[in-house]
Amino acid sequence: DVKVTQSSRYLVKRTGEKVFLECVQDMDHENMFWYRQDPGLGLRLIYFSYDVKMKEKGDIPEGYSVSREKKERFSLILESASTNQTSMYLCASRETGGSIQEQFFGPGTRLTVL
Amino acid sequence: DAKTTQPTSMDCAEGRAANLPCNHSTISGNEYVYWYRQIHSQGPQYIIHGLKNNETNEMASLIITEDRKSSTLILPHATLRDTAVYYCIVRPYSGTYKYIFGTGTRLKVLA
Repeated sequence: DVKVTQSSRYLVKRTGEKVFLECVQDMDHENMFWYRQDPGLGLRLIYFSYDVKMKEKGDIPEGYSVSREKKERFSLILESASTNQTSMYLCASRETGGSIQEQFFGPGTRLTVL
Repeated sequence: DAKTTQPTSMDCAEGRAANLPCNHSTISGNEYVYWYRQIHSQGPQYIIHGLKNNETNEMASLIITEDRKSSTLILPHATLRDTAVYYCIVRPYSGTYKYIFGTGTRLKVLA
């Protein structure tokens, strides 16, 4: 089974702190994604990566950056956390080929910024 | 990317079929319809996808209208564990990496 893991289920940080959210997948997928999920807004794409060291902005990249140094790991960075970044963060991965091309999601990290 | 419209919420009695509609009137010829669901406190999970033919797997059936402007996800015998938010997404099969998740349908299966 594909497994996507995220470093924390719950995280509490203070305004202005630098925050790292880590995501690891074990299926050698080329593509990885970071979403945030807020009530009434659904899932919104922050950044995605289709290869090591490659990244593309999603729909809401402001205030975030990402790093993909190894194929299995995709990190989301909040350079200076703000209260409006309190949210559920979901990581996903997907292979490039294949007959289904489904995204596999991690369990999510609920981040609270005080 | 084509947008989808789904009802905000639905109820279904346990053991009955749950029929979840999705409108995608602006779908393009090369776009597939995907369905995911998200159980509370978990990440979304793939259910099924299709282009224009009806599809069935161990989880559900997908009925796509002939004009492809709408589809219905059918859970044939809903259980309490099917209580979740269901997302209908349209996207090209390849060439783009983005899904656009809407707000989905919150399905509550009632005992």
